[in-house]
Amino acid sequence: SQTIHQWPATLVQPVGSPLSLECTVEGTSNPNLYWYRQAAGRGLQLLFYSVGIGQISSEVPQNLSASRPQDRQFILSSKKLLLSDSGFYLCAWGTAYEQYFGPGTRLTVT
Amino acid sequence: GQNIDQPTEMTATEGAIVQINCTYQTSGFNGLFWYQQHAGEAPTFLSYNVLDGLEEKGRFSSFLSRSKGYSYLLLKELQMKDSASYLCAVDGGATNKLIFGTGTLLAVQP
Repeated sequence: SQTIHQWPATLVQPVGSPLSLECTVEGTSNPNLYWYRQAAGRGLQLLFYSVGIGQISSEVPQNLSASRPQDRQFILSSKKLLLSDSGFYLCAWGTAYEQYFGPGTRLTVT
Repeated sequence: GQNIDQPTEMTATEGAIVQINCTYQTSGFNGLFWYQQHAGEAPTFLSYNVLDGLEEKGRFSSFLSRSKGYSYLLLKELQMKDSASYLCAVDGGATNKLIFGTGTLLAVQP
């Protein structure tokens, strides 16, 4: 069965600091991968998706970026965090009829 | 535009049945997902509907009417552990990107 790993689980970072969140998937090949963010009390917002190595599509303009250096690795980054970047970041993998989420990273920007 | 509507909150009694409705207006449709999300945790997959009708999985059932842009999640024999947010999401395109509603917070009372 497929497993999604995300780390770290929680993170507190000052404004202006860099960010790197990592997601890895086991048990599947060439998955579609997604980064979502859930702000406090709000719905999930799709940030990036990838259909293959090096293929990244951005859904919303922001100071975040994503990379997919390997088939089952998806990285979310920022050079300088903003207060508004605080939230619950979720990685997901999916096919046409299923989509599963990793455990998430709770980011607080102070 | 893309729009998914769900009630914000619902309350039900342990042992009872509750129906959570979702209406959607999206430019494309490849299927509709329901997720359960407990506070502080990642969403967990409950169901997927792509054809009209009812899909049953134990205590949970999900219904879809594509012509009406409408779905519901039916929870039977409610248990206290069913207290959670329930998220409706539509797959609206070729890359299986999900568009989420803001979720329905269900409180199950003794």
